Amino acid sequence: TQLLEQSPQFLSIQEGENLTVYCNSSSVFSSLQWYRQEPGEGPVLLVTVVTGGEVKKLKRLTFQFGDARKDSSLHITAAQPGDTGLYLCAGAPTSGTYKYIFGTGTRLKVLA
Amino acid sequence: NAGVTQTPKFRVLKTGQSMTLLCAQDMNHEYMYWYRQDPGMGLRLIHYSVGEGTTAKGEVPDGYNVSRLKKQNFLLGLESAAPSQTSVYFCASSWSTWQYFGPGTRLTVL
Repeated sequence: TQLLEQSPQFLSIQEGENLTVYCNSSSVFSSLQWYRQEPGEGPVLLVTVVTGGEVKKLKRLTFQFGDARKDSSLHITAAQPGDTGLYLCAGAPTSGTYKYIFGTGTRLKVLA
Repeated sequence: NAGVTQTPKFRVLKTGQSMTLLCAQDMNHEYMYWYRQDPGMGLRLIHYSVGEGTTAKGEVPDGYNVSRLKKQNFLLGLESAAPSQTSVYFCASSWSTWQYFGPGTRLTVL
């Protein structure tokens, strides 16, 4: 069974700080996604990375897919209270599949 | 467009009762999914469908059944609810790799 472990599980920081969330596995994934989920709502897709070593930026968020396609990171610069939420990574085990395995999640709280 | 909608939003069942959760999407997506979300465990895939009339098992299918009689609807059934099925259930539909999630159904089984 392929697993995706996220760290840290919980993170509470002050507005303006930087942070990094990690998503790790011992298995190779053909692509990896990051989602943000707010209380009482479904997850919303932020980005999909498909190439080993790929880096994508979305405003203050930077996503990286590991060279070996086994891990990924999400870096937030100058965090804001609006970044508060549950961040989930999800990996597709094989190319062409739309069946994703989700990580355990990182709950982020940004204090004003 | 409403996107992905789920009915009902909340439900309380007694052990042994049955119920059906309805998911509807208006984006003409081929793929649809049912997940459950439990604290500290992320989202786990229950069943999914790659098109009208097709269904397949996911990671945790036991105790659930599904049907996709129409492309826009994906139903999740619990024949005999158990307390272990207390969870938040999310439906999603996808076009390529882009999954769109519904708002969820919070189910409590007493």
